[in-house]
Amino acid sequence: GNSVTQMEGPVTLSEEAFLTINCTYTATGYPSLFWYVQYPGEGLQLLLKATKADDKGSNKGFEATYRKETTSFHLEKGSVQVSDSAVYFCALRGSTLGRLYFGRGTQLTVWP
Amino acid sequence: GAGVSQSPSNKVTEKGKDVELRCDPISGHTALYWYRQSLGQGLEFLIYFQGNSAPDKSGLPSDRFSAERTGGSVSTLTIQRTQQEDSAVYLCASRFTGQGTYSNQPQHFGDGTRLSIL
Repeated sequence: GNSVTQMEGPVTLSEEAFLTINCTYTATGYPSLFWYVQYPGEGLQLLLKATKADDKGSNKGFEATYRKETTSFHLEKGSVQVSDSAVYFCALRGSTLGRLYFGRGTQLTVWP
Repeated sequence: GAGVSQSPSNKVTEKGKDVELRCDPISGHTALYWYRQSLGQGLEFLIYFQGNSAPDKSGLPSDRFSAERTGGSVSTLTIQRTQQEDSAVYLCASRFTGQGTYSNQPQHFGDGTRLSIL
């Protein structure tokens, strides 16, 4: 079956620190992978995506590379800002039906 | 509209009452999804619509939950005889499901309905 495991939070960093949030998945076939972000009081927003192995998704300084050999899609950012404080969700879409399987979410807090 | 619209944004009701939650997807999006977000369970899939039909209802937690979609657009999620464990944020998402280069479009989420059962 399909499932996503992401590192538990909370993650607390100082501004300009390097961020990694680990995400691994189990899937049949060839899933598409996503990172969604939920800012305080708001809905889920797509942050980035990758649809096939070795693709790199990037947006707002965040990057994640679809690694089929390690079944991973880790989220990274070289220098976080206070405005990046949010909950980050890793997700996969395993079939043409398109439902998403989510990880449990990782709360990131960035201090000035 | 520009984004997925959900109403109401907040709903407080007494245990045992029925509630209806509404989702207005992005115009032209044929696929529509309902999810539930709660503290203990994270983000759970409920049901998926393609057009007006629901090929995947596997996430509905009990027969108290039902959903419909009319005109390939607006969807309503109904919870009958609400229980306290139904308290959660109910999220709706829609997606364009075209062919070729449009076949891998992401889901776009609304801001959700926060449901509180007293």
